[in-house]
Amino acid sequence: AQKVTQAQTEISVVEKEDVTLDCVYETRDTTYYLFWYKQPPSGELVFLIRRNSFDEQNEISGRYSWNFQKSTSSFNFTITASQVVDSAVYFCALSEFQGTSGSRLTFGEGTQLTVNP
Amino acid sequence: DSGVTQTPKHLITATGQRVTLRCSPRSGDLSVYWYQQSLDQGLQFLIQYYNGEERAKGNILERFSAQQFPDLHSELNLSSLELGDSALYFCASSAWGPQETQYFGPGTRLLVL
Repeated sequence: AQKVTQAQTEISVVEKEDVTLDCVYETRDTTYYLFWYKQPPSGELVFLIRRNSFDEQNEISGRYSWNFQKSTSSFNFTITASQVVDSAVYFCALSEFQGTSGSRLTFGEGTQLTVNP
Repeated sequence: DSGVTQTPKHLITATGQRVTLRCSPRSGDLSVYWYQQSLDQGLQFLIQYYNGEERAKGNILERFSAQQFPDLHSELNLSSLELGDSALYFCASSAWGPQETQYFGPGTRLLVL
């Protein structure tokens, strides 16, 4: 069975600090997709990034960057110069294929990030 | 705004009752997924429909059922409700295949008293 582990339950930083959220996954599939979602206090789940297992190139989007390392089964997420609006729960997720057109996301436990002014 | 809509936003009901949660996917998306988020279980996959057919099933209770209609909207039916069914229920949609990104609706917060 697939598994996603986010060992950091809570992280608290001061505004403008850089912060890295860790994600480690387990899968037997050779083709898979990894995701990060953000859940702000309002409760919705906001998609941030998708990465496939064949693309290990790191990605940067503004203050966000992602480091995918297949060798260590990790997909870490860094926020540079954090802001109060970044305060949210962040989930890492792994897609699991089930038959034809079947899939499901396996989520980690989430990391509660609090950015203090 | 993800383009996925869910109604109602909040639902308060009593144990033993039955409720129906509704989801409309993004325009053009054929797959609909249901997830449950609770404090003790985290985010758990319930079931997936693709173009009206069930395609993947998670640890969905027998008291729960879902369907996807010809217009692609989906309903999740929860019956014989228990206190432990109180949770945030999310619907997500994707274009079609497993590699596609799932976009989530705002969720329905269910409270069973």
